[in-house]
Amino acid sequence: KQEVTQIPAALSVPEGENLVLNCSFTDSAIYNLQWFRQDPGKGLTSLLLIQSSQREQTSGRLNASLDKSSGRSTLYIAASQPGDSATYLCAVRNTGGFKTIFGAGTRLFVKA
Amino acid sequence: NAGVMQNPRHLVRRRGQEARLRCSPMKGHSHVYWYRQLPEEGLKFMVYLQKENIIDESGMPKERFSAEFPKEGPSILRIQQVVRGDSAAYFCASSPQSIRTVNYGYTFGSGTRLTVV
Repeated sequence: KQEVTQIPAALSVPEGENLVLNCSFTDSAIYNLQWFRQDPGKGLTSLLLIQSSQREQTSGRLNASLDKSSGRSTLYIAASQPGDSATYLCAVRNTGGFKTIFGAGTRLFVKA
Repeated sequence: NAGVMQNPRHLVRRRGQEARLRCSPMKGHSHVYWYRQLPEEGLKFMVYLQKENIIDESGMPKERFSAEFPKEGPSILRIQQVVRGDSAAYFCASSPQSIRTVNYGYTFGSGTRLTVV
């Protein structure tokens, strides 16, 4: 059974810092891994989607890596801004299935 | 294309009433997935539907919950005789075809926040 864990559960950093959010999963047989952002009381916004054959994806100040063999992904945020404050969710889709399993998220607060 | 549309955004129900949550997938998407997010928790899979078919409802509570995706109109998640523990955010996602066969990610709606008083 796939389990997705995100560490840390919460993070508070000053503006301008580079930071790393971690995601681990127990079953390496995955199709893809997707990082989402969720603002309080809002829906989910897809940030990056990494296929199982890929090692990383980049979008602006965001970079996500995937190490399938070790069951890990990291989301790197460069030069953090107060507008980055949100909950970041990692989601994994297993091969042979359609369910996407979510981690509990990392709640990020960037102080101005 | 307005994306995945969910309504209502907020819904308040008294214990014992029925709640109906609607989800209109993105244009061209024929697969719908419902997730529930309890306060301070992650998203939990509930049900996967295609038009007129329930493909997997393994995440649905056995009683009081049902879902449909008719040939015409939105997908409906129905909760009968709501209890306080049903209070949560319910999210719908859609995809253009089965994620089983094509390596697409999910597009989510903004969710319906159900409060049972």
